[in-house]
Amino acid sequence: AQSVSQHNHHVILSEAASLELGCNYSYGGTVNLFWYVQYPGQHLQLLLKYFSGDPLVKGIKGFEAEFIKSKFSFNLRKPSVQWSDTAEYFCAVKNTGFQKLVFGTGTRLLVSP
Amino acid sequence: DAGVIQSPRHEVTEMGQEVTLRCKPISGHNSLFWYRQTMMRGLELLIYFNNNVPIDDSGMPEDRFSAKMPNASFSTLKIQPSEPRDSAVYFCASSSTGGGYEQYFGPGTRLTVT
Repeated sequence: AQSVSQHNHHVILSEAASLELGCNYSYGGTVNLFWYVQYPGQHLQLLLKYFSGDPLVKGIKGFEAEFIKSKFSFNLRKPSVQWSDTAEYFCAVKNTGFQKLVFGTGTRLLVSP
Repeated sequence: DAGVIQSPRHEVTEMGQEVTLRCKPISGHNSLFWYRQTMMRGLELLIYFNNNVPIDDSGMPEDRFSAKMPNASFSTLKIQPSEPRDSAVYFCASSSTGGGYEQYFGPGTRLTVT
């Protein structure tokens, strides 16, 4: 069964610092990959997604992620974080052709001003 | 579009009572998902429907939980009887196969069982 690992459970950064959140998945076949963000007290919103093509995906709010198939990874990056990026970030994976998303356990990011 | 609509937003009930959570998916979406989020277990998929038919209910914790989707614009998740360990935020999400399976989440229902 598909599984998703997010190794960083809590990350604390100062404003303007660079961010990289790790995400690894287990299934070796063709996958679709997603990063969702959940701001405090709100629902999950899609940051970016990868289906095919350029493995470097750009999303909203300056976020990007790189799909590295050989490493089963889809790490999220942002060159300079802002206080408003404080949120929980979830990586999710689904096998192509299927609808079920498997979520990681999430990473709580705290950005101090 | 109003997005995925869930009601109620907050529910406080006593142990043993029946709880019904409601969801209206985005118009035109043909898949609907129910998730539960807790601090201990994170985000768990409970059940999902495709074209109103339950496809995978392996995440439903036990027989006290049931879900229905009588038509394309409405779904319910029922807990009977409720227990304190059911306290969580329950999210509904919908997606469209034509939209690349991206799931759109509702605002959630925060359930507290005392």
